[in-house]
Amino acid sequence: DQQVKQNSPSLSVQEGRISILNCDYTNSMFDYFLWYKKYPAEGPTFLISISSIKDKNEDGRFTVFLNKSAKHLSLHIVPSQPGDSAVYFCAASGSGGSNYKLTFGKGTLLTVNP
Amino acid sequence: DVKVTQSSRYLVKRTGEKVFLECVQDMDHENMFWYRQDPGLGLRLIYFSYDVKMKEKGDIPEGYSVSREKKERFSLILESASTNQTSMYLCASSLRTGKQYFGPGTRLTVL
Repeated sequence: DQQVKQNSPSLSVQEGRISILNCDYTNSMFDYFLWYKKYPAEGPTFLISISSIKDKNEDGRFTVFLNKSAKHLSLHIVPSQPGDSAVYFCAASGSGGSNYKLTFGKGTLLTVNP
Repeated sequence: DVKVTQSSRYLVKRTGEKVFLECVQDMDHENMFWYRQDPGLGLRLIYFSYDVKMKEKGDIPEGYSVSREKKERFSLILESASTNQTSMYLCASSLRTGKQYFGPGTRLTVL
């Protein structure tokens, strides 16, 4: 049972345009959400996060939006750059005994074309 | 600066061998994790540890064991390596909750 879903395995955008990566979750106990970026042959690096008490968080070119009623979050990258080409993982954690565990989606491969 | 290191970047082993993957963090984090990443399957949690000598099974613990004798070190052990354990192995650490910091990964090939 996949609790965090990234339904688009890949996304291709032109340099300078907006990239929108989507993520859906099913577990109502999730209250903290993160995005990680991963280049081939490297470990994932943290990009941005959002707590369930907020609906938006910005960091430079990256913005994460959270819609709790729809159990949906999205990552916006504006403007997209070729160096943003990587696999992006959405992750979630929840309250309760194992709230240090993250549940990851399967990832979306973003390709930014020059 | 935050640092998680893994003992090898690339490893080739034979079927049936015992394999040790080592992970060290220098951030005094309580929690440490082992994941494997496979194409189309994302990151899957193998084992995690929330304190020295404490461990819990993740989603895919079969065929693996772990050891955490010191706070900074978390080892993943493949008792008898099999070809279906060929994968990218990622170690991570975190404070009590939230953001995890990942090491560079070990690409293990079992022949």
